[in-house]
Amino acid sequence: KAGVTQTPRYLIKTRGQQVTLSCSPISGHRSVSWYQQTPGQGLQFLFEYFSETQRNKGNFPGRFSGRQFSNSRSEMNVSTLELGDSALYLCASSLGQVTDIQYFGAGTRLSVL
Amino acid sequence: EDKVVQSPLSLVVHEGDTVTLNCSYEVTNFRSLLWYKQEKKAPTFLFMLTSSGIEKKSGRLSSILDKKELFSILNITATQTGDSAVYLCAVDPGSYQLTFGKGTKLSVIP
Repeated sequence: KAGVTQTPRYLIKTRGQQVTLSCSPISGHRSVSWYQQTPGQGLQFLFEYFSETQRNKGNFPGRFSGRQFSNSRSEMNVSTLELGDSALYLCASSLGQVTDIQYFGAGTRLSVL
Repeated sequence: EDKVVQSPLSLVVHEGDTVTLNCSYEVTNFRSLLWYKQEKKAPTFLFMLTSSGIEKKSGRLSSILDKKELFSILNITATQTGDSAVYLCAVDPGSYQLTFGKGTKLSVIP
């Protein structure tokens, strides 16, 4: 069974640009969560989607948005990039029930110059 | 605000040593506590704990939860260089998000 797939693996952008990251969950999983990982803050929750609906959102500015498609694939978008957005963005998938195990992808490393 | 604190932040041991990693938490609701191992990029799942006092074991790794004192430990016996990684503890409050600690960086030297 294939794991969680994130594309692209690396991205370099400049301040002010926008970026879209993609996540394909494990087959059969309907929940996708996004996390930002930085050396200073660790892993922080961005948002979670289940059946194309956002069920929870973390404390990030509105420049961070996401969506989920009917095949459970998800995208997250960051607009007007800032230097502080440089991070590893991790996606996790689960069946979507409370207390399900979340399985992570390898992440997208975003560098903002 | 939910909080997860891991200690120590980093640890250097020799192959064959036994290590204990700590995770304490304060959350408004508690459903489960999870341990992950992060070597390069993707955190890989190790254990999920929901009940106090029941040890989960996988090979040389084991973990236990104390819901009264609000902490968990992860033990690794007979450490190997392949155990070098960041070990992450996370709490699931049942709201479809995980709250993570900052992690413990374990380095195992031959």
